[in-house]
Amino acid sequence: AQKVTQAQTEISVVEKEDVTLDCVYETRDTTYYLFWYKQPPSGELVFLIRRNSFDEQNEISGRYSWNFQKSTSSFNFTITASQVVDSAVYFCALSEAGDDKIIFGKGTRLHILP
Amino acid sequence: DAGVIQSPRHEVTEMGQEVTLRCKPISGHDYLFWYRQTMMRGLELLIYFNNNVPIDDSGMPEDRFSAKMPNASFSTLKIQPSEPRDSAVYFCASSPDRGWSEQYFGPGTRLTVT
Repeated sequence: AQKVTQAQTEISVVEKEDVTLDCVYETRDTTYYLFWYKQPPSGELVFLIRRNSFDEQNEISGRYSWNFQKSTSSFNFTITASQVVDSAVYFCALSEAGDDKIIFGKGTRLHILP
Repeated sequence: DAGVIQSPRHEVTEMGQEVTLRCKPISGHDYLFWYRQTMMRGLELLIYFNNNVPIDDSGMPEDRFSAKMPNASFSTLKIQPSEPRDSAVYFCASSPDRGWSEQYFGPGTRLTVT
């Protein structure tokens, strides 16, 4: 069965610090997709990134970067030089090939303190 | 495009009343998902549709919940009769493709049942 674990329930860091959000997943499929979503205080979930299981290259987008490691079944998300606007709940999610559904982790609430 | 539209944004009702939540997906998206978010259970998939047909309703908590999609541009989630434990934020999301495609979420409906 597929499962996504975000062990960090809540994190607080001071603005400009780097922070990494952990995500560990479980799946029996060799083909699958991993996602990160952001839920700001306004409430709407916003898609950030999708990776497929065959592409282990790290991704960087501005201050955001993602580290995908199949050997440890992890897909971690790092925010560099954090800003107050990064405060949100971040969800990691998994979808197996052939499945229409996305399974979400419980989320990590990130507080960026000014 | 206007994005996924949900109405109402907030609903307060008394136990026993019927509640209807509405969703307009993004035009051209073949998949529509209904989720419920609570602090205790996180983000749960209730039901999803493909081309207006319900595919998986295994997440619907009980017979008091029902969902319909009469056409490609409209879906409803109905709770009858409502109970206080139904209080949650209900999200609608649409997707242009199967599980490997990102989902676009609406702003959610915050339901409070007193």
